[in-house]
Amino acid sequence: AQSVTQLDSQVPVFEEAPVELRCNYSSSVSVYLFWYVQYPNQGLQLLLKYLSGSTLVKGINGFEAEFNKSQTSFHLRKPSVHISDTAEYFCAVGALDYQGGSEKLVFGKGTKLTVNP
Amino acid sequence: EAQVTQNPRYLITVTGKKLTVTCSQNMNHEYMSWYRQDPGLGLRQIYYSMNVEVTDKGDVPEGYKVSRKEKRNFPLILESPSPNQTSLYFCASSLGGAAPQHFGDGTRLSIL
Repeated sequence: AQSVTQLDSQVPVFEEAPVELRCNYSSSVSVYLFWYVQYPNQGLQLLLKYLSGSTLVKGINGFEAEFNKSQTSFHLRKPSVHISDTAEYFCAVGALDYQGGSEKLVFGKGTKLTVNP
Repeated sequence: EAQVTQNPRYLITVTGKKLTVTCSQNMNHEYMSWYRQDPGLGLRQIYYSMNVEVTDKGDVPEGYKVSRKEKRNFPLILESPSPNQTSLYFCASSLGGAAPQHFGDGTRLSIL
């Protein structure tokens, strides 16, 4: 079974500063990886995903993430954040459950990003 | 507009009183799922459905039921709710695969 660890529960930054939200995973099989964003009082939105191919993945709102297989990481980055990026961010890892024949997706516990003026 | 619609958005009820949270999507997605979100625990999958009449348990299915009689609808049923089911619930859908592409706006349940 796979698992996800988001290393920081809260990340405060100033506007226009760069930010990195860390995500590590463990799995015995090949995985695909996702980042979701949840704005206050809303559902989650898919920010970006890694399925295969290029390890640098670009998403919406200027975010990008890099898949690092050797370090089992999928950190999310943005070079310059805005106040409007204040939200909770969730990393998720998916893998095929070969026993059951279905796909399993596991979410991390989330990182609250607060962008201060 | 692509949408996942959940109802109700908020509900306060009492222990043991059966309730249903409805979920409907207008994208003809095959895969639908229910999650609960609790502080510090992230999202945990309750049940999922890969197609009509095909449902399976997620990580925390105890105390919940689902059905998938039509492709667009995937209701979540709490036959005898208990206080530990107080939570924020999300329905989600995707065209194929487990990774949700669209989430509903959530249903906040309080069970007293």
